[in-house]
Amino acid sequence: AQRVTQPEKLLSVFKGAPVELKCNYSYSGSPELFWYVQYSRQRLQLLLRHISRESIKGFTADLNKGETSFHLKKPFAQEEDSAMYYCALGAGGTSYGKLTFGQGTILTVHP
Amino acid sequence: DAGITQSPRYKITETGRQVTLMCHQTWSHSYMFWYRQDLGHGLRLIYYSAAADITDKGEVPDGYVVSRSKTENFPLTLESATRSQTSVYFCASREVGTYEQYFGPGTRLTVT
Repeated sequence: AQRVTQPEKLLSVFKGAPVELKCNYSYSGSPELFWYVQYSRQRLQLLLRHISRESIKGFTADLNKGETSFHLKKPFAQEEDSAMYYCALGAGGTSYGKLTFGQGTILTVHP
Repeated sequence: DAGITQSPRYKITETGRQVTLMCHQTWSHSYMFWYRQDLGHGLRLIYYSAAADITDKGEVPDGYVVSRSKTENFPLTLESATRSQTSVYFCASREVGTYEQYFGPGTRLTVT
């Protein structure tokens, strides 16, 4: 069975500081990893997917299969980055597979 | 409106009452999902559907019922609401061939 662990429920940083949100997964097959973000009282929206290796809003995430991690990083945090962040693992095949979400990390960026 | 919508956005009900949460998507996505969001538990899958008339249980299905007679609608019914079902409920959908899901705005349900 697949599992996603986000070890930090809460993370606080100051504006301009680097930020790293940790995500570890367990899955025996070839995973697809995602980061979703939820701003205050809004719907979840996709932030990053590992297969596209893109940078969105200054965030990047690299899949490390050796460490089974997909940490989300940003070199200089902004106040508008304050949100709930979910790491998600896609498994089971896209014909019938699902996303497994971590417990989420609430990021607060202080001025 | 295009996209995925949920109604009602807010609902207060009493223990023991039946409640139905609606989800509607305009993309004709095959797959639809219901999650509940609780602090400390993150997002947990309640039920999902691969197509009209095909549904399956997720991680926390007890106390919930779903149906999918039309591709675009996926209602979630709490047959006899309990306080433990107080939560924020999110509906999501996706296309065939991708894991990426699109989420609705959520329904905040309070059971008193």
